[in-house]
Amino acid sequence: DAGVIQSPRHEVTEMGQEVTLRCKPISGHDYLFWYRQTMMRGLELLIYFNNNVPIDDSGMPEDRFSAKMPNASFSTLKIQPSEPRDSAVYFCASSLLLRETQYFGPGTRLLVL
Amino acid sequence: KNQVEQSPQSLIILEGKNCTLQCNYTVSPFSNLRWYKQDTGRGPVSLTIMTFSENTKSNGRYTATLDADTKQSSLHITASQLSDSASYICVVSEDTNAGKSTFGDGTTLTVKP
Repeated sequence: DAGVIQSPRHEVTEMGQEVTLRCKPISGHDYLFWYRQTMMRGLELLIYFNNNVPIDDSGMPEDRFSAKMPNASFSTLKIQPSEPRDSAVYFCASSLLLRETQYFGPGTRLLVL
Repeated sequence: KNQVEQSPQSLIILEGKNCTLQCNYTVSPFSNLRWYKQDTGRGPVSLTIMTFSENTKSNGRYTATLDADTKQSSLHITASQLSDSASYICVVSEDTNAGKSTFGDGTTLTVKP
């Protein structure tokens, strides 16, 4: 398995633009997580899915953030409109079970100007 | 409020030396504790995962210990190598339906030749 795949790896956009981050979890994993990492706040869980259903989105910072998982092999995290304070590295991770080891993707480094 | 505190914040050691990183937590009820290694520019990679009944677990030169009574964990690195230079993150999960995880801020380890 290629592991968790994320795209794009880097994204530079201007404030107000829509940003879409993509993730392909490891095949067979039932759980998918979206994280954000900044120097100031470290790793923060934004939302996680179980069998494509959002379970906990309490970490989503604002209504500008939305996440979907239309099928077991694909998820998106969308920011609309983007703001400079959204600049961070966004990680997607997947796991077989909720409290088991999570496998992280390489991350998307987002810079909002 | 659940918290995970790691110490030291940063550490510099010479190649070949041993070191120990600390993690104290207040997460309750406790489910498991995980140590991750994060190389610069990459996603975290799992080193160990321990449940309540386990008090030590090894992964090559990495040995994690857990004292569930005092709510402390340590990660011991033996015979350090330059490739051990990374951030080490302690993550503690709740034993609830939500299974939320609390992340420490990490310890940045630098191994010098």
